[in-house]
Amino acid sequence: SQQGEEDPQALSIQEGENATMNCSYKTSINNLQWYRQNSGRGLVHLILIRSNEREKHSGRLRVTLDTSKKSSSLLITASRAADTASYFCATDSNNNDMRFGAGTRLTVKP
Amino acid sequence: DGGITQSPKYLFRKEGQNVTLSCEQNLNHDAMYWYRQDPGQGLRLIYYSQIVNDFQKGDIAEGYSVSREKKESFPLTVTSAQKNPTAFYLCASSMAGGTGELFFGEGSRLTVL
Repeated sequence: SQQGEEDPQALSIQEGENATMNCSYKTSINNLQWYRQNSGRGLVHLILIRSNEREKHSGRLRVTLDTSKKSSSLLITASRAADTASYFCATDSNNNDMRFGAGTRLTVKP
Repeated sequence: DGGITQSPKYLFRKEGQNVTLSCEQNLNHDAMYWYRQDPGQGLRLIYYSQIVNDFQKGDIAEGYSVSREKKESFPLTVTSAQKNPTAFYLCASSMAGGTGELFFGEGSRLTVL
């Protein structure tokens, strides 16, 4: 079964706007990661946040984690057309497996 | 350059045939994973391996088989028992423990005719 569920399923914004995607998960985790996938390609790692962290930044990316609510959010600031892609959250359990959500399809219009 | 390589990129198969998808990495990673992705969907875990000669079933292992005879190689066989094999298959690897960043290949698209 998929561990994470992203929300919304699809998001369309104008260039320069911020994009926020959410992820909810079901069981305890060691860390939560966000990945990006361009159509028909492999996934690329964006950022990892550990279970004892609440917020992390990397360039235009900001990730938050609320373990009490079992949820995370990914904020992309000042979006660009090149940010158009699908974004997935991934979590691992104590079995050292990695499970992904269904993803959010982000479209940034120039 | 270090990375993870999947082959073939596109594969066509007749019903009833087994096919094997190759996944090779030169990152010296212990953990390797196979995922299936259907159109517009997320990734579902098929099999994963934390160490050579050991692997575990994921959520959708039925109709698939794997081997891990070498650290750098984790081939996936899609057997005729897999009832709906047409999909995009992604291989990934990570450092020991499997709790760090996953590095993905570019995927193999399998179509059953």
